[in-house]
Amino acid sequence: AQSVTQLDSHVSVSEGTPVLLRCNYSSSYSPSLFWYVQHPNKGLQLLLKYTSAATLVKGINGFEAEFKKSETSFHLTKPSAHMSDAAEYFCVVSVWTGANNLFFGTGTRLTVIP
Amino acid sequence: EPEVTQTPSHQVTQMGQEVILRCVPISNHLYFYWYRQILGQKVEFLVSFYNNEISEKSEIFDDQFSVERPDGSNFTLKIRSTKLEDSAMYFCASSDRARMGYTFGSGTRLTVV
Repeated sequence: AQSVTQLDSHVSVSEGTPVLLRCNYSSSYSPSLFWYVQHPNKGLQLLLKYTSAATLVKGINGFEAEFKKSETSFHLTKPSAHMSDAAEYFCVVSVWTGANNLFFGTGTRLTVIP
Repeated sequence: EPEVTQTPSHQVTQMGQEVILRCVPISNHLYFYWYRQILGQKVEFLVSFYNNEISEKSEIFDDQFSVERPDGSNFTLKIRSTKLEDSAMYFCASSDRARMGYTFGSGTRLTVV
C-alpha cells in the first residue's frame, strides 16, 4: 500500500529565511514522488518530481527536494522564502502498478512573515 | 504552457439535483482523472479514464458518479443525485503517455445546499 505523511500541517517562516517542508512516504514499489503547490482559489501546480533519476531534484521558484530511500523521505526546501511562497503544499506519491492514481498527503500550509 | 481548463469555477446546486462538471484536458494527453478535496481534508482520487473507458475508480466513485468523454476534447464528471457530502473542490487532471506529467485544472467548487 502507498501513503504519504506530511509531518507539519502548518509552517511559518520569516521572509528571507530557509523553508523546510517535511514528507515521508510508504510504498511497496519504487515510487515516483511529487510536490504540488496550491495558492488560494487556484489549482494544483507541479513544483518538482522525482522519477528514479537524480535523487536531488530541482523545481520551479527555487525549490528543491531530496529523495532519501533509507529514510523514506522527500523533504522540500528553499534557501530563502519569499512572500509569494505562502500557499498550501502537497507531497504526492505515485507507483507504477497499473493504477493511474496519485496518493496525496494532507498538505502543509506555509505562512511567510514579512 | 498548456493548461487543463475546468468549468464552472463554482457551482451551487440543491440536494438531489444532477450536476455535470466539465474539463478540457491537454490535447495530446491520454490519461484523464478526477480528484476531489472536501474542505479541510486530503485530495482524494475518484477515477481514471483511458482509451474511452474507466481504468481505475475508488470506493467514493459509486453508482451516483459517471464520467464521459463525449467529443474527444471534453471530459465530464456527472453526479446524478447530489448529496450534502458531495460538497467539495473537484479537480480534473490529465497526463501524458508516460504518466509523469500530471497537469491539474484550477478546480470546480461544488456546494450542495
